[in-house]
Amino acid sequence: EVQLVESGGGLVKPGGSLRLSCAASGFTLSSFAMNWVRQAPGKGLEWVSSISSSSSYIYYADSVKGRFTISRDNAKNSLYLQMNSLRAEDTAVYYCARGNYYDPFDYWGQGTLVTVSS
Amino acid sequence: SYELTQPLSVSVALGQTARITCGGNNIGSKNVHWYQQKPGQAPVLVIYSDSNRPSGIPERFSGSNSGNTATLTISRAQAGDEADYYCQVWDSSLVVFGGGTKLTVL
Repeated sequence: EVQLVESGGGLVKPGGSLRLSCAASGFTLSSFAMNWVRQAPGKGLEWVSSISSSSSYIYYADSVKGRFTISRDNAKNSLYLQMNSLRAEDTAVYYCARGNYYDPFDYWGQGTLVTVSS
Repeated sequence: SYELTQPLSVSVALGQTARITCGGNNIGSKNVHWYQQKPGQAPVLVIYSDSNRPSGIPERFSGSNSGNTATLTISRAQAGDEADYYCQVWDSSLVVFGGGTKLTVL
């Protein structure tokens, strides 16, 4: 059974940093691109970042470019999102999702809440 | 940047057919994916590549895509279909989601 489990969310002050993790199981992580999608409270889905299976290709939404870094460790079956210079508008539930480029996101984690507030 | 436009809300009577649209410039040339999200839950893929249903999704869910509009159709709507629905495409290696449509089953 495919499972994605996010962790690392919490309360952080503006300007602070946080590192999210996504533990993957039930499939071969190295065969798939992975993605982060966030959802602010009461709002819609917003794509954050994508990383190819071998980390060769990485893309970011303009809203996080230069502040967030996506990475992965296939040997540890894990995906990461390093978030720096956090702003109030980064407050959201962050989901990791499996999906190769131009394919749908077929599996999603349950999400982890990040709250940026003083 | 590419934009997808969805109606904020759609209402349907129990047992009737609901249609949720997703508008975008020449969206017919792209593969459109649809997600269902119920309160407090992660999104679930219900239609991929315009009109294909993943395993476990009822046949009542169908999709089409042509010109500037993609459509998710839910036949014989049930109370359990009440949810937010999002369309999604890939555009130049970036991911675009529609703003989401709240489906209410009356």
